[in-house]
Amino acid sequence: AQSVTQLGSHVSVSEGALVLLRCNYSSSVPPYLFWYVQYPNQGLQLLLKYTSAATLVKGINGFEAEFKKSETSFHLTKPSAHMSDAAEYFCAVSTPTGANNLFFGTGTRLTVIP
Amino acid sequence: DAGVIQSPRHEVTEMGQEVTLRCKPISGHDYLFWYRQTMMRGLELLIYFNNNVPIDDSGMPEDRFSAKMPNASFSTLKIQPSEPRDSAVYFCASSRTGGDNQPQHFGDGTRLSIL
Repeated sequence: AQSVTQLGSHVSVSEGALVLLRCNYSSSVPPYLFWYVQYPNQGLQLLLKYTSAATLVKGINGFEAEFKKSETSFHLTKPSAHMSDAAEYFCAVSTPTGANNLFFGTGTRLTVIP
Repeated sequence: DAGVIQSPRHEVTEMGQEVTLRCKPISGHDYLFWYRQTMMRGLELLIYFNNNVPIDDSGMPEDRFSAKMPNASFSTLKIQPSEPRDSAVYFCASSRTGGDNQPQHFGDGTRLSIL
């Protein structure tokens, strides 16, 4: 079975500070990993995905994530937070089953303090 | 290209009424997913289809919930009879075949309130 754990349901950072959102996965086979962002009253949008091509993945809006197999982690980072980054972020995992099925974490709400 | 389109965006109805939520997936996508999002339970997968066929409906909470996909461009999620605990945001998502690394694309959701 596969799952993800997002540590910290709420994270607050100051504008311009580093953003670090944590995600640890559990999977018996090499996983595919995703980060999605949800702005208020909207659906989830794909930020980036890891599919084994490179361990450091760059996404939209200046975000990136690094796959660390030894730590079973896929943390999301951004060097400098913007006010517009305030949203909820979801980590998700899938595995090669042909089902296109994603297993989502519980989400982390990011607040950016001016 | 148009994204996943859901309707209505908001629905308020009284307990006991039938509710029908609609979804139009992205053209060419052959997977369609229905999710429910609440503060208490987060994002839950209800059911998903592949090539219009339901593959896994183990997340459907009760027999009051049913979903159909009569063709590749339309799906419905129906609740009959509705109850206040069904109040949530319901999302539809679609993706294409190509392995499990294909991302799902989400609609903007239907915010459902059952009074």
